[in-house]
Amino acid sequence: GNSVTQMEGPVTLSEEAFLTINCTYTATGYPSLFWYVQYPGEGLQLLLKATKADDKGSNKGFEATYRKETTSFHLEKGSVQVSDSAVYFCALRAVDSGGSNYKLTFGKGTLLTVNP
Amino acid sequence: EAEVAQSPRYKITEKSQAVAFWCDPISGHATLYWYRQILGQGPELLVQFQDESVVDDSQLPKDRFSAERLKGVDSTLKIQPAELGDSAMYLCASSFGVNTEAFFGQGTRLTVV
Repeated sequence: GNSVTQMEGPVTLSEEAFLTINCTYTATGYPSLFWYVQYPGEGLQLLLKATKADDKGSNKGFEATYRKETTSFHLEKGSVQVSDSAVYFCALRAVDSGGSNYKLTFGKGTLLTVNP
Repeated sequence: EAEVAQSPRYKITEKSQAVAFWCDPISGHATLYWYRQILGQGPELLVQFQDESVVDDSQLPKDRFSAERLKGVDSTLKIQPAELGDSAMYLCASSFGVNTEAFFGQGTRLTVV
């Protein structure tokens, strides 16, 4: 079945440090890939997405490139801020095992804390 | 800006009681999802609707959970009876179609005591 594996946290960084959160996936067909962010006590917000191989999603200084050869979609940011502290989820959307429906599958999440 | 509305935001209930959550999706969105997020985990799909029809409820514990979307607009998720292990965040999401971007509500935090 479809699955997402992302690096376990927590990740603690100082402000302006470089961020990488690794994400790899297993899926049938050609999935779309997403990063969602969840601030404390809130729902999920879409951060960025990529729908085909070699696409780069970007938003608010975050980037991730869809790498089909390594089945990866790692999240990066060159200089993190305190306000980036949140939980980050990697997700994929692909046809389910029955072949009749698109399903959104999430990783377990990575908690990022940025200290001033 | 249109958003997915959920209520209540927080709910505390005793074990064996019934509890219900409500979700109003973004207008025009045909697909509605209910997810359960246990603390420290990623969201897990409980049920997916296309209009008023269920298209996936394979992970819904049907002995105690039920979901409906009678007119294909808003939806209710019910748990009866609640168990301690049901404590979690319940997230509703909607999308225009099954293969388009999903927008999430703020969730309902359920605590079963």
